[in-house]
Amino acid sequence: ETGVTQTPRHLVMGMTNKKSLKCEQHLGHNAMYWYKQSAKKPLELMFVYNFKEQTENNSVPSRFSPECPNSSHLFLHLHTLQPEDSALYLCASSQDKGGGLAYEQYFGPGTRLTVT
Amino acid sequence: KNEVEQSPQNLTAQEGEFITINCSYSVGISALHWLQQHPGGGIVSLFMLSSGKKKHGRLIATINIQEKHSSLHITASHPRDSAVYICAVRSWRDDKIIFGKGTRLHILP
Repeated sequence: ETGVTQTPRHLVMGMTNKKSLKCEQHLGHNAMYWYKQSAKKPLELMFVYNFKEQTENNSVPSRFSPECPNSSHLFLHLHTLQPEDSALYLCASSQDKGGGLAYEQYFGPGTRLTVT
Repeated sequence: KNEVEQSPQNLTAQEGEFITINCSYSVGISALHWLQQHPGGGIVSLFMLSSGKKKHGRLIATINIQEKHSSLHITASHPRDSAVYICAVRSWRDDKIIFGKGTRLHILP
């Protein structure tokens, strides 16, 4: 148990659906992250939030929309996804002033998303 | 060619063997991480290194900044060590995080 929870753990959605992934951290951290892990590809950093402000967006398509209402919660809103968006989506948090791996990150268990 | 290369890609060993996983990178970095990902998908951060060597239980991580190389060692390996081990660095050049493709380790009982 890392102190970072994600729901749901599994999600199957059609291309016209709208769904949201939720992440919550109980560690008092300042920064939160969304990662995408596709089969046989390296982890990809999608978004970084520091003190609720987005500090990184790594050219992620607009069909992925993050929301960080406070330092403990992070959402990823999904709409009109494509089958190639099927992947494991991981959330992480850290006590970090700028985002990234300069500080140790704690990962959630991930949401396995399948787009049909 | 990836800026972070791991070797081997896959490794199967018997319980008790000494395991070494290598990571080479081609960019200047501020830190290097070793991560462990279990079959269910959850990731655990094992080590964060900027120089020298760190040890935690049966795990040892080393980094040679001049050679741009890091190794992760597992002593007295156990089936529960079976996982994907991922090397990741943060580049000084553009402040981006770069992940290796991972090494899939399988320890046989």
